[in-house]
Amino acid sequence: KQEVTQIPAALSVPEGENLVLNCSFTDSAIYNLQWFRQDPGKGLTSLLLIQSSQREQTSGRLNASLDKSSGRSTLYIAASQPGDSATYLCAVLPEWGTASKLTFGTGTRLQVTL
Amino acid sequence: ETGVTQSPTHLIKTRGQQVTLRCSSQSGHNTVSWYQQALGQGPQFIFQYYREEENGRGNFPPRFSGLQFPNYSSELNVNALELDDSALYLCASRHHGSDYGYTFGSGTRLTVV
Repeated sequence: KQEVTQIPAALSVPEGENLVLNCSFTDSAIYNLQWFRQDPGKGLTSLLLIQSSQREQTSGRLNASLDKSSGRSTLYIAASQPGDSATYLCAVLPEWGTASKLTFGTGTRLQVTL
Repeated sequence: ETGVTQSPTHLIKTRGQQVTLRCSSQSGHNTVSWYQQALGQGPQFIFQYYREEENGRGNFPPRFSGLQFPNYSSELNVNALELDDSALYLCASRHHGSDYGYTFGSGTRLTVV
């Protein structure tokens, strides 16, 4: 059974700081890994998608890496801003041939202070 | 990427009642999944539909059921509501076989009293 863990559970940083969010998964047989952002009481916004054959993806100030063999992914946020305050979730999709459900971590709640 | 719409946004029901939540997926997205998210937790997989048939189910009882329609819309039905069913319900869709990830709707907040 796939299990996804995110560390830390919560993080508070001053504006402008660079930060790293961590995601680990127990079963390396994944098709892809997706990072999401969730504002309080809202739905999920996809930030980055990394296919299992890729090592990293970048979008603006965000960079996500994937080490499939070790079961780890990181989300790097450069020059953090108060608008980045949200919960960040990672989710893995298993390889084809199995039930293609996303397994989520419990998220990292980020607060960027002025 | 936009295109997944859920209704209603908020709903209050009494224990024992039945509820139907609706989702309109992006055109061409033939796979739709439903997730339940309790406060402070990650979303939990309820079930998935592909071309109008259920092809995967999580650890949820049979009183959770669904439908997918040819026009890329879908429903989540919950019978005999319990207090623990209070949660944010999320619909997600994708095109099976594509390299794109899931697109999520903004969710329906269900409160059971």
